Amino acid sequence: SQELEQSPQSLIVQEGKNLTINCTSSKTLYGLYWYKQKYGEGLIFLMMLQKGGEEKSHEKITAKLDEKKQQSSLHITASQPSHAGIYLCGAGNDYKLSFGAGTTVTVRA
Amino acid sequence: KAGVTQTPRYLIKTRGQQVTLSCSPISGHRSVSWYQQTPGQGLQFLFEYFSETQRNKGNFPGRFSGRQFSNSRSEMNVSTLELGDSALYLCASTPSPERNTEAFFGQGTRLTVV
Repeated sequence: SQELEQSPQSLIVQEGKNLTINCTSSKTLYGLYWYKQKYGEGLIFLMMLQKGGEEKSHEKITAKLDEKKQQSSLHITASQPSHAGIYLCGAGNDYKLSFGAGTTVTVRA
Repeated sequence: KAGVTQTPRYLIKTRGQQVTLSCSPISGHRSVSWYQQTPGQGLQFLFEYFSETQRNKGNFPGRFSGRQFSNSRSEMNVSTLELGDSALYLCASTPSPERNTEAFFGQGTRLTVV
């Protein structure tokens, strides 16, 4: 089965600062998903990357897929309190998603 | 456009009982999948349905079952509940039967087994 490792496990960032979360796969990535979750709630879809070298942005969040390295990164620019939560990467294969353990982001005012 | 709707949001059951959770996908979405989320195991895949057919199943005991109806709504059932079944159960729907399409999740059903 596909395993995804996220780093760091958690991070605290000062409001206004940038942050980066990494996701590394044990197998080739055919589709990489990024989600955000507030504790105990559902997953909010952020973006999906499918091609090596692909980069997508939404508001202040940018995600990149390095297919050769079987890695993806999520970058948040000028973090705000609304960016706090748990960020999860997921990999698609055989009609299912395998997820990383998540990265907990805390934004301090 | 309404999102993925899961009912109920919260549920408390006693060991040995059974429970049925419901998921209504986004209108037009025909693929529905289920996941269990616990602090210890994280998010784990349960099963996926498309056109009333189960196409993939995760590594869970037979007490966990599901089905999909002709209107794409799905239910999952857990029989003979155990304390370890306490979890957040999430449902996701996708617009296409293809692999690797955008998947949208509901708010989940928080099941507590006492």
